Amino acid sequence: NAGVTQTPKFQVLKTGQSMTLQCAQDMNHEYMSWYRQDPGMGLRLIHYSVGAGITDQGEVPNGYNVSRSTTEDFPLRLLSAAPSQTSVYFCASGNIYGYTFGSGTRLTVV
Amino acid sequence: AQSVTQPDIHITVSEGASLELRCNYSYGATPYLFWYVQSPGQGLQLLLKYFSGDTLVQGIKGFEAEFKRSQSSFNLRKPSVHWSDAAEYFCAVGRLRRGSTLGRLYFGRGTQLTVWP
Repeated sequence: NAGVTQTPKFQVLKTGQSMTLQCAQDMNHEYMSWYRQDPGMGLRLIHYSVGAGITDQGEVPNGYNVSRSTTEDFPLRLLSAAPSQTSVYFCASGNIYGYTFGSGTRLTVV
Repeated sequence: AQSVTQPDIHITVSEGASLELRCNYSYGATPYLFWYVQSPGQGLQLLLKYFSGDTLVQGIKGFEAEFKRSQSSFNLRKPSVHWSDAAEYFCAVGRLRRGSTLGRLYFGRGTQLTVWP
């Protein structure tokens, strides 16, 4: 049972490049979320989903896109990377009993 | 509006001393309440949660938390801190029910715990 798997663990992008952060869960959880973590800012919600085909914006959605075509996968797309998107990104999946977090992706945009 | 406040950004305690981390929330209904811990370079691990019933809940690693509805608080406690407890602690609230605006958690900004030997 792998839980929540995020790939890649580290990534360096140039400004303007696009990329997709992958997130997969094998717990049949209905909820999935993407957070970014910056020093002193805690965890800020980017997008979340309450089921396949249903997504909604969080606190900081600009510059990011998501879709959820299956229960298991919830990829996060950076459309045109900017230095302000340098951060650690966490994916989480959950149900009514709470959320389980992945180990994170450290992204640097230069 | 929903919000979570952790008033202490950084707390330092000596090993063996007791610990209390504060969490206050603002939420429209009785929320589900969570405490997570994050060690350096790691993801978040669930320490404990409260949904209903007994307002004192026990978690992993010897932690407990008490829900006080009148104070909108969910403070985390440990009677005797170990050096391995040094980490960042996050309080979160939510109402995890199916729906377009539910199913998400609101997090506080975290409290960094340093433990002196």
